[in-house]
Amino acid sequence: QKEVEQNSGPLSVPEGAIASLNCTYSDRGSQSFFWYRQYSGKSPELIMSIYSNGDKEDGRFTAQLNKASQYVSLLIRDSQPSDSATYLCAFSNSGYSTLTFGKGTMLLVSP
Amino acid sequence: EAQVTQNPRYLITVTGKKLTVTCSQNMNHEYMSWYRQDPGLGLRQIYYSMNVEVTDKGDVPEGYKVSRKEKRNFPLILESPSPNQTSLYFCASSLALAGVNEQFFGPGTRLTVL
Repeated sequence: QKEVEQNSGPLSVPEGAIASLNCTYSDRGSQSFFWYRQYSGKSPELIMSIYSNGDKEDGRFTAQLNKASQYVSLLIRDSQPSDSATYLCAFSNSGYSTLTFGKGTMLLVSP
Repeated sequence: EAQVTQNPRYLITVTGKKLTVTCSQNMNHEYMSWYRQDPGLGLRQIYYSMNVEVTDKGDVPEGYKVSRKEKRNFPLILESPSPNQTSLYFCASSLALAGVNEQFFGPGTRLTVL
């Protein structure tokens, strides 16, 4: 059974702080990992993808992957109120045919 | 503009009345997929298609059908909808490159079955 665990939150941070979102997964065969942002009532939007161990930075976002620990995280630097959303982590199986999503962590950034 | 479109966006129907939700993408993506999203359960995959005439079941396929006769279209069919299929449905597409499955989502269809 493929599983993705995320803390449902809400995670509350003040504007300008670093938000840290975490995700663990159970399928050791997972190859690709993704972070999606979903605003209330909207569709998920891909914000980061990571395929190898280590860090990947894109603007204010940094994804971190540790396959040995089956752990992926997303750091958001200089958090803004517009970052308030639910963040979904997802992984692709070894056949790349499906994405398994976590239930998401709600992030609230207060001005 | 590159996009995934779904129609209708909102639908209220009654139990047993067959319906189709359309999905279309203009990015020449091979891979297309349908998800449903329910509170507390997250996004769950219903069906996916790796290419034309190739479809396979996801995690929750019961009560749904799909077809992929053209690359750009991937309709979701509910032959006999039931109230437990009331949900928010998303279609998604991506390039079918090995190791890459960066899926782009449509705007969603909110379905209510009475």
